[in-house]
Amino acid sequence: NAGVTQTPKFQVLKTGQSMTLQCAQDMNHEYMSWYRQDPGMGLRLIHYSVGAGITDQGEVPNGYNVSRSTTEDFPLRLLSAAPSQTSVYFCASSTSGRASKTQYFGPGTRLLVL
Amino acid sequence: GQSLEQPSEVTAVEGAIVQINCTYQTSGFYGLSWYQQHDGGAPTFLSYNALDGLEETGRFSSFLSRSDSYGYLLLQELQMKDSASYFCAVKDRGSTLGRLYFGRGTQLTVWP
Repeated sequence: NAGVTQTPKFQVLKTGQSMTLQCAQDMNHEYMSWYRQDPGMGLRLIHYSVGAGITDQGEVPNGYNVSRSTTEDFPLRLLSAAPSQTSVYFCASSTSGRASKTQYFGPGTRLLVL
Repeated sequence: GQSLEQPSEVTAVEGAIVQINCTYQTSGFYGLSWYQQHDGGAPTFLSYNALDGLEETGRFSSFLSRSDSYGYLLLQELQMKDSASYFCAVKDRGSTLGRLYFGRGTQLTVWP
């Protein structure tokens, strides 16, 4: 199993550009989520999904869109990039429900918005 | 909602024991988790406490006391490779989706 994969690893954007961060998992996990990590701020939840066709907002959803058309994929879209979106983005997946103990994280995407 | 507090930094020497505390305010949660993250890497799962008490996994142990709204991660026989950030997290009981809420992380530095 590849686990959770993310592409690209690095990206530089200009203000106003749009892009999609890709995330895929091959563990048949129902729950997938996107976090951003900034220095001293820990991991903040952007959006999450409990299954195909079901998404919801996290703590910091503004400026980001998600969709979940398949169990495997959960892309994150930046509609109009801003310097404040410079961050490291992590995708994670897990089984859902109270019995689930752990989330599996992808390697991250490092984004710089100029 | 959920709120977790942990120290921002901890330092120790090789071979020592260090305890990283996590205090929380929560409207209800299933369990307390700990994650490790090395510089430039992704967070990886270390431990999970669903019930009060101590869970031991090799050199690492984690403790939870729901009555005290408190947990800790105990690292024994510290090694240089343990230098990393450590995050506590609670799995929300308030919704069926089981969201994880993370603390801001504790940077552990192990000196030779």
